[in-house]
Amino acid sequence: QSVLTQPPSASGTPGQRVTISCSGSRSNIGSNHVYWYQQLPGTAPKLLIYSNDRRPSGVPDRFSGSKSGTSASLAIGGLRSEDEADYYCASWDDSLNGFVFGTGTKVTVL
Amino acid sequence: QVQLVESGGGVVQPGKSLRLSCAASGFTFSAYDIHWVRQAPGKGLEWLAVISYDGRIEYYADSVKGRFTISRDNSKNALYLQMNSLKPEDTAVYYCATGLDDYGDDYWGQGALVTVSS
Repeated sequence: QSVLTQPPSASGTPGQRVTISCSGSRSNIGSNHVYWYQQLPGTAPKLLIYSNDRRPSGVPDRFSGSKSGTSASLAIGGLRSEDEADYYCASWDDSLNGFVFGTGTKVTVL
Repeated sequence: QVQLVESGGGVVQPGKSLRLSCAASGFTFSAYDIHWVRQAPGKGLEWLAVISYDGRIEYYADSVKGRFTISRDNSKNALYLQMNSLKPEDTAVYYCATGLDDYGDDYWGQGALVTVSS
């Protein structure tokens, strides 16, 4: 069981904005950076957001990250069919002395 | 181009050992901390271990601490995961990866399947 909690699913129609939450605690999100990954079926994860709100080169600006207190969010604007995937947050945990991934959210494009 | 290629996966009996390797190319391997992450069938991502760029510092998830050992050989651009006392719940696809840092350089291998079964 992960210490970072995400909703199991989220959905939207093409063009809509979808937001995924990641709830943690003071020892992880409250004290450290948050990362967001996208995993398409049968493939390795891909980094979407690092250091809370920064996008690696090549990641569309439709993807944005934010953090407040012990929670973080990933927003997908202008939803596209190719955004249908699993999304995971991650953060370092000072109590565990290791990284933790969130429980994962499956995004469906209706 | 940048490549991380895992090898060494397979079927192993409970209680036995296995060593995974991860061969890196196309980037300055010795400049990066490297992680092992796994994903059990139909499940989410689980972080396992990280080793610092120079091999001096290691951290492990509680689920593998004392059983798994991460190591690297920068002269060979190689990362390893020695897995001992394997359990059926260690069955997963194992990935080596960079990232989870402030640089945003995200490199992943294709994954190596480890099946622990009698």
